Amino acid sequence: DIVMTQSPDSLAMSLGERATITCKSSQNVLYDSTNRNYLAWYQQKPGQPPKLLIYWASTRESGVPDRFIGSGSGTDFTLTISSLQAEDVAVYYCQQYYSVPLTFGGGTKVEIK
Amino acid sequence: QVQLQESGPGLVKPSETLSLTCTVSGDSITSYYWSWIRQPAGKGLEWIGRMYNGGSPNYNPSLKSRVSMSVDTSKKQVSLTLTSVTAADTAVYYCTRGGGGYDYSDRWGQGILVTVSS
Repeated sequence: DIVMTQSPDSLAMSLGERATITCKSSQNVLYDSTNRNYLAWYQQKPGQPPKLLIYWASTRESGVPDRFIGSGSGTDFTLTISSLQAEDVAVYYCQQYYSVPLTFGGGTKVEIK
Repeated sequence: QVQLQESGPGLVKPSETLSLTCTVSGDSITSYYWSWIRQPAGKGLEWIGRMYNGGSPNYNPSLKSRVSMSVDTSKKQVSLTLTSVTAADTAVYYCTRGGGGYDYSDRWGQGILVTVSS
């Protein structure tokens, strides 16, 4: 199984600040023949199902604000919220869909300081 | 706009079988992967398995001996069965659709809380 490790477990930033979450996979999730990273990011607010933010490591889902930026390749990935807003308070998960079983990181809780 | 709705019993006794159904509306059920994902209260996400219409399912090895999934295209439903449940199977169970024919989950149901207790 590919193990996904997120850090930090939680972070508290002021409104307008940049928040950065990292995700490391235990194996490469870049598929050579397509040059695509099989890595997604989700946002989960309390009492709601997760919501897809980013797929292919850096492609924003339709309707997702452009302050959410996904980057990275191979085994190291980052989700950046360029200017933290109150509505961004949530838990964020990375997921690899390179191979089954699909696996998730442990989550990063983002709060406002 | 595609919608997914999970249904089934909210309470299952230990050692019995958990059966859930996901009903899809607003879009075709074919040409997509359909996954079940669960989340114990206050914890992270665990992928249970996936199905592609007409294909063989894939299951999480941690559950493989107890889980099965099926797709009924006429009813536009995806089903999950988990046998011999224990308290460790208590969780919110989500049905999801794989986006663009791949496995990232672009649509999620609201989830159904299943409690295993006598």
